[in-house]
Amino acid sequence: GAVVSQHPSWVICKSGTSVKIECRSLDFQATTMFWYRQFPKQSLMLMATSNEGSKATYEQGVEKDKFLINHASLTLSTLTVTSAHPEDSSFYICSAPGPVSGSYEQYFGPGTRLTVT
Amino acid sequence: AQRVTQPEKLLSVFKGAPVELKCNYSYSGSPELFWYVQYSRQRLQLLLRHISRESIKGFTADLNKGETSFHLKKPFAQEEDSAMYYCALITGGFKTIFGAGTRLFVKA
Repeated sequence: GAVVSQHPSWVICKSGTSVKIECRSLDFQATTMFWYRQFPKQSLMLMATSNEGSKATYEQGVEKDKFLINHASLTLSTLTVTSAHPEDSSFYICSAPGPVSGSYEQYFGPGTRLTVT
Repeated sequence: AQRVTQPEKLLSVFKGAPVELKCNYSYSGSPELFWYVQYSRQRLQLLLRHISRESIKGFTADLNKGETSFHLKKPFAQEEDSAMYYCALITGGFKTIFGAGTRLFVKA
C-alpha cells in the first residue's frame, strides 16, 4: 500500500530558529501533497497544498513567509517553519493522494511534533 | 461555505451496543465523503468512503443528500473500536476538509 513518511517525528527548537520537516511518499509519486496542523484534542487544519514544481497554495490566514513549502520532486515535500515561536508548537501532518487514479483517498504521514522553547 | 460538522466530541458506549457517529456537511457541489480513523498512537487512516458503499470493520455510512449527512454506524461496538473518528469532505483539487472529530470510547 501507499506509505507516507515524515521526518523528524519530533523536534525541539529554540525561539527564533527555523526547522524543516520532510514529507515523503515512499512507494508512489505525489504531484500534490497537503500540510496540516493539529492542535491538542482538535481537528486537522489544512495549511497549504504543496504542488510539485510550482508554488504552494496557502489557506487563508496561513503566513506563506513563515511556513515555507518546497516540493522539489515527485516524492518529497518540505515544510520549513521560519523564525519559530512558541505559538508555532503543534503537530504537523502531511498527506498525499494515493496512487490510484480517481481515488480521493489521502495517505497520511505519522506527523511531526514541533516544540518551540 | 464548505463545512463538516461533527456535533459530538465524545461518544461513550458499552461493548455490544450500537453506535452512531454523526456527520453533517455543507457543500455546493457533489460531495465526496470519507470517514478516517485514528487509533491511539497511530496515524490517520481511511476507514471508508461513501462512493464504495462498503462495510469496514462492521462500520457503514450512508450518504443522505437530503439531510446532508454521512453518519457512521456500527450495530455492535467493540472495545478495539475506541479511537478518534473524523468525517471528511473532498473539495476541488483533492483538498480535504475535516470535521472536528469524535472520540469514541467503548467500555467493557
